Amino acid sequence: EIVLTQSPGTLSLSPGERATLSCRASQSVTNNYLAWYQQKPGQAPRLLIFGASSRATGIPDRFSGSGSVTDFALIISRLEPEDFAVYYCQQYASSPWTFGQGAKVEIK
Amino acid sequence: EVQLVESGGGLVQPGGSLRLSCAASGFTFSSSWMNWVRQAPGKGLEWVANIKQDGSEKYYVDSVRGRFTISRDNTKNSLYLQMNSLRAEDTAIYYCARGWRSGSYYGYWGQGTLVTVSS
Repeated sequence: EIVLTQSPGTLSLSPGERATLSCRASQSVTNNYLAWYQQKPGQAPRLLIFGASSRATGIPDRFSGSGSVTDFALIISRLEPEDFAVYYCQQYASSPWTFGQGAKVEIK
Repeated sequence: EVQLVESGGGLVQPGGSLRLSCAASGFTFSSSWMNWVRQAPGKGLEWVANIKQDGSEKYYVDSVRGRFTISRDNTKNSLYLQMNSLRAEDTAIYYCARGWRSGSYYGYWGQGTLVTVSS
């Protein structure tokens, strides 16, 4: 099973700042089959990024994904008030399909 | 517009059973892999099970294999999860989610249904 470890667990930033979230895999994620989701309280997750770096439909370009093999990142270039939420990475390269433990971006 | 609407959650005693449903609309249900993903209160996401378009392939996470059964009815655009021998650790919000292959990202999610296993 591929274990995904997200860091930091919590990121305290101000609107307008840049956020960088890390996702490290215990094994190689083939084909860069890695996705990122945003989840707000009481809501279902929303797909942001798939294939490590492709933005999903309707996702603003301030969200970008990068990385390969075992090290991946989600970057939010300039935080908007609506971006404060919990973010999860997910690998879909090897069964069982697993998620990271989540990383919270909170208002400083 | 793609819609996924789960139902069937509730309070059940340990060892009991529950059947979840997910009604799909706005896309060709019979062409999609479908998944159940759960989230324990205050915790992260866990993939639970998925099923191929025609129901011929089904896969489960180890912790539910032998207790949960995923199924679908393409004539009703519906996905199901039969949950037996429920345990306290099965307490979670259960989401249905649309995939494009067995291993997939999930572009569409339902709003979830809460299952609470407690005496």
